Amino acid sequence: AQKVTQAQTEISVVEKEDVTLDCVYETRDTTYYLFWYKQPPSGELVFLIRRNSFDEQNEISGRYSWNFQKSTSSFNFTITASQVVDSAVYFCASFNSGGYQKVTFGIGTKLQVIP
Amino acid sequence: EAQVTQNPRYLITVTGKKLTVTCSQNMNHEYMSWYRQDPGLGLRQIYYSMNVEVTDKGDVPEGYKVSRKEKRNFPLILESPSPNQTSLYFCASSRGRADQPQHFGDGTRLSIL
Repeated sequence: AQKVTQAQTEISVVEKEDVTLDCVYETRDTTYYLFWYKQPPSGELVFLIRRNSFDEQNEISGRYSWNFQKSTSSFNFTITASQVVDSAVYFCASFNSGGYQKVTFGIGTKLQVIP
Repeated sequence: EAQVTQNPRYLITVTGKKLTVTCSQNMNHEYMSWYRQDPGLGLRQIYYSMNVEVTDKGDVPEGYKVSRKEKRNFPLILESPSPNQTSLYFCASSRGRADQPQHFGDGTRLSIL
């Protein structure tokens, strides 16, 4: 069974601080996919990034960066120079390709950026 | 505009009264899924569908039914709703399989009294 753990339920930072959201996944499969989604206060869910298990390259997109480490089963998300618009709930999710087409989400991390 | 449309957006109803939440996507996606979001529990998958007439249970299927008679539609049916099904529900779709990014609807907030 797959499992995704987001140990930080709520984080508050002051604007312009850097913040890292942790995501730890469990899987027995060698092929799997990891995702991050953002849910702003308006409620919609927005896809941010997808990474497969064979690609451990870190990714940077503007102020966002993702660190994928198979050795620690982690797929952490860092926001550099946070802004108030980054305030949202962030979900990490996983999909294992061996069998069922289920997607497992973590419980989410609520990020509040204080001006 | 590519989108996933859910209806209704809000519903208050009573225990035992059958209801259907509709979901439609205009992207010709094969994979569709229903999730419920509850405080402290995140998003949990209820059912998913790989294509027309192909559906399977997610992690919390009890009390729900689905059907996929057309590729674009994936309704969620609560035949005898109970208060513990009060939740925020999301429909999602993706191209191909579940290894692709999902597009989500705006959500349906259900209150079962």
